[in-house]
Amino acid sequence: AQSVAQPEDQVNVAEGNPLTVKCTYSVSGNPYLFWYVQYPNRGLQFLLKYITGDNLVKGSYGFEAEFNKSQTSFHLKKPSALVSDSALYFCAVRDNNQAGTALIFGKGTTLSVSS
Amino acid sequence: DTEVTQTPKHLVMGMTNKKSLKCEQHMGHRAMYWYKQKAKKPPELMFVYSYEKLSINESVPSRFSPECPNSSLLNLHLHALQPEDSALYLCASSQDRGIDTEAFFGQGTRLTVV
Repeated sequence: AQSVAQPEDQVNVAEGNPLTVKCTYSVSGNPYLFWYVQYPNRGLQFLLKYITGDNLVKGSYGFEAEFNKSQTSFHLKKPSALVSDSALYFCAVRDNNQAGTALIFGKGTTLSVSS
Repeated sequence: DTEVTQTPKHLVMGMTNKKSLKCEQHMGHRAMYWYKQKAKKPPELMFVYSYEKLSINESVPSRFSPECPNSSLLNLHLHALQPEDSALYLCASSQDRGIDTEAFFGQGTRLTVV
């Protein structure tokens, strides 16, 4: 079964500092990985995805993610955090054993950026 | 337009009521989804529609009944719900069921069952 793990329930960073939100995956075959962000009482917003190609993926709002096959990781990064980045972040994977199965989400990581 | 619109935004219903949640997208997407999300938890898949046909039902109780009247609309009919069904219900759509397609989510309907 495909799965993703987010080892940190919460990440705290100061505004202006770089941030990293961690995600590791377990899939059979090629991984198709996604990051979403959720602000309070809102739906999920798509940030970026890795399908194939360059290991560094750039996405919305200045976020990027680094795919590392040997470490089975797909960590979300941003060079300089903003207070407005405070939200709940989900890593997700598509189930590629059954094409078209919906996204499988990690448990989520709450990012708190202090001013 | 990358918008998925859900109505209503909030809904309070009694356990004997019948209500419906609505979802609409005009991106030409052919796959649509219902998710249930409890506070601070990841979304849990309920149903998947592909080309207006139900393709996945994740063992959801029959008190939840999905309907896809056309390629732009997705409904979730609710009947005889329990208080534990209170949650944020999210609709999403994607271009198709392809393995590399991202899903776009609506803002959700906050459902409270009393």
